[in-house]
Amino acid sequence: DIQMTQSPSSLSASVGDRVTITCRASQSLISYLNWFQQKPGKAPKLLISAASNLQSGVSSRFRGNESGTDYTLTISSLQPEDFATYYCQQSYSIPVTFGQGTRLEIK
Amino acid sequence: QVQLVQSGAEVKRPGASVKVSCKASGYGFVAYYMHWVRQAPGQGLEWMGRINPNSGGTNYAQKFQGRVTMTRDTSSNTAYMELNRLRSDDTAVYYCARDLGTDGRYWGPGSLVTVSS
Repeated sequence: DIQMTQSPSSLSASVGDRVTITCRASQSLISYLNWFQQKPGKAPKLLISAASNLQSGVSSRFRGNESGTDYTLTISSLQPEDFATYYCQQSYSIPVTFGQGTRLEIK
Repeated sequence: QVQLVQSGAEVKRPGASVKVSCKASGYGFVAYYMHWVRQAPGQGLEWMGRINPNSGGTNYAQKFQGRVTMTRDTSSNTAYMELNRLRSDDTAVYYCARDLGTDGRYWGPGSLVTVSS
């Protein structure tokens, strides 16, 4: 199974800040990496697919990047609606695996 | 538009079984795998398995092998996930999600299963 190591597990930031969340895969994913945002009581929402493909309707504040087996989600200029939990997910092979999640909180 | 509608909340005793349904609309049901993901209270997302609605073929996470069964009814465009021998740590929200392998945009709203004596 491919292990996804996501960091940090929690992050405290202020409106307007820029933050970066990282996922490291245990093997190459050839860009088969998605990023999700989840708010309490809601299903996850796909933000970015294929490592860097921003989904329609998602703010350009969100950006995904890939470097080898390291994947990053950067949120520039945090807005109040961005405070949520974020997950990476590899879709390269079965079983599908998720990172442990990053809880982004308001400072 | 694509919609996934799940069955309602359930309360089960330890040792019982639960069957959660996921009715799809707005697309060709048999064309996309349906995945099941669960989330225990305050915890992360855990993949349980997937079903190919066309063939009925399944892949299950090792953790759930022998305890989970995923099926589908192509006449009603509905996928099902049955989990047996329930334990208290199976208390979770269970989601269906279309084609997590190549998409990930479409998720059901979740079905809360509570296991309690």
